[in-house]
Amino acid sequence: RKEVEQDPGPFNVPEGATVAFNCTYSNSASQSFFWYRQDCRKEPKLLMSVYSSGNEDGRFTAQLNRASQYISLLIRDSKLSDSATYLCVVTNQAGTALIFGKGTTLSVSS
Amino acid sequence: DGGITQSPKYLFRKEGQNVTLSCEQNLNHDAMYWYRQDPGQGLRLIYYSQIVNDFQKGDIAEGYSVSREKKESFPLTVTSAQKNPTAFYLCASSTRQGSDTQYFGPGTRLTVL
Repeated sequence: RKEVEQDPGPFNVPEGATVAFNCTYSNSASQSFFWYRQDCRKEPKLLMSVYSSGNEDGRFTAQLNRASQYISLLIRDSKLSDSATYLCVVTNQAGTALIFGKGTTLSVSS
Repeated sequence: DGGITQSPKYLFRKEGQNVTLSCEQNLNHDAMYWYRQDPGQGLRLIYYSQIVNDFQKGDIAEGYSVSREKKESFPLTVTSAQKNPTAFYLCASSTRQGSDTQYFGPGTRLTVL
């Protein structure tokens, strides 16, 4: 099992749609979880941290299921500007570094 | 403005040449990192540093070297020993090493001719 696995997509959705991304991780000892956003040919930027209780930031909701080692990101009312690659990130086994998934690509069209 | 700067944005190198990529941060972060990203691939950790004058190898350190003489600076040298150096190189920093949020610089695109 890969350390962090994501469906690469692409996910092609119309404006206003709701879209969900999933991510699984192999290290049951991981303590920190994040979603980053990366625009084409740009650096990754933190979208949100993921907490055990789940958290919401505007149109974005992140969920963590430790038992299943599964993280999700829900985007409601998609905007054209949401088009990007979304990276799932977890801590490594030693807790000394972050492991990045390959990302899921989202394309929102009008 | 606080942040991380990388230079140059684009770099071209002939085979057999060493090249050094710059990374500077004014966020007062202790930890700094270098990643490599290839098309369609995730980020892979090259080196990281928790404090000045200390650094550790990441997953793909072969053919690379770093130094951490100042807290603000973490330059990466891509040596001629690196077999496939063409890639997008990203520098990041965090308040401390490990599980803290990392903030990235704009990256350097290295092309070997």
